[in-house]
Amino acid sequence: DAMVIQNPRYQVTQFGKPVTLSCSQTLNHNVMYWYQQKSSQAPKLLFHYYDKDFNNEADTPDNFQSRRPNTSFCFLDIRSPGLGDAAMYLCATSKVGLGMNTEAFFGQGTRLTVV
Amino acid sequence: AQTVTQSQPEMSVQEAETVTLSCTYDTSESDYYLFWYKQPPSRQMILVIRQEAYKQQNATENRFSVNFQKAAKSFSLKISDSQLGDAAMYFCAYRGNAGGTSYGKLTFGQGTILTVHP
Repeated sequence: DAMVIQNPRYQVTQFGKPVTLSCSQTLNHNVMYWYQQKSSQAPKLLFHYYDKDFNNEADTPDNFQSRRPNTSFCFLDIRSPGLGDAAMYLCATSKVGLGMNTEAFFGQGTRLTVV
Repeated sequence: AQTVTQSQPEMSVQEAETVTLSCTYDTSESDYYLFWYKQPPSRQMILVIRQEAYKQQNATENRFSVNFQKAAKSFSLKISDSQLGDAAMYFCAYRGNAGGTSYGKLTFGQGTILTVHP
């Protein structure tokens, strides 16, 4: 039944050690988003893919990268995690286009701890 | 740029009672969508209700309804007959017209933690 699946649910990484978070979807949505949510704060958009087109938010650090090899999968790469990158990372999808605009569907999130 | 403001960091309600969560937003667009999302302690964000700006009628989903005041840029959520399972963080969110460059991006308010007392 799960439609947006994030793996792993919990990730512990060492300071400076590259880490990859994954997201998959069964909805065939054309847009996938990555949000960062720090404790008790609003989710903040990092970037999104519209089909294969990558769109970075202006204030997203270079330390964060993303890949979308196909419609179903999207990855978030953190090249050198710092303590300030500890957060919940939320993947979301939506279908966007003329006459078709769904709401965003979210995964359960990956909680990243940096030690 | 659009902004969304939730001025109530925390709210509480007795079970079976009614509570209203406030949200205001700022935009120069005329066509947009507004949402209320619920994020329980399990952390998965779930859509509660959506409102299209061009619709004058307030959206309703079972016990959840909104009071959408477009001129005032206000979008409050009313929860009737509150249940223990309604306890969560609630986020108000704005989405611009996806025909532009927004591609369905959401701008969230700061959130309101709702506690339901038995």
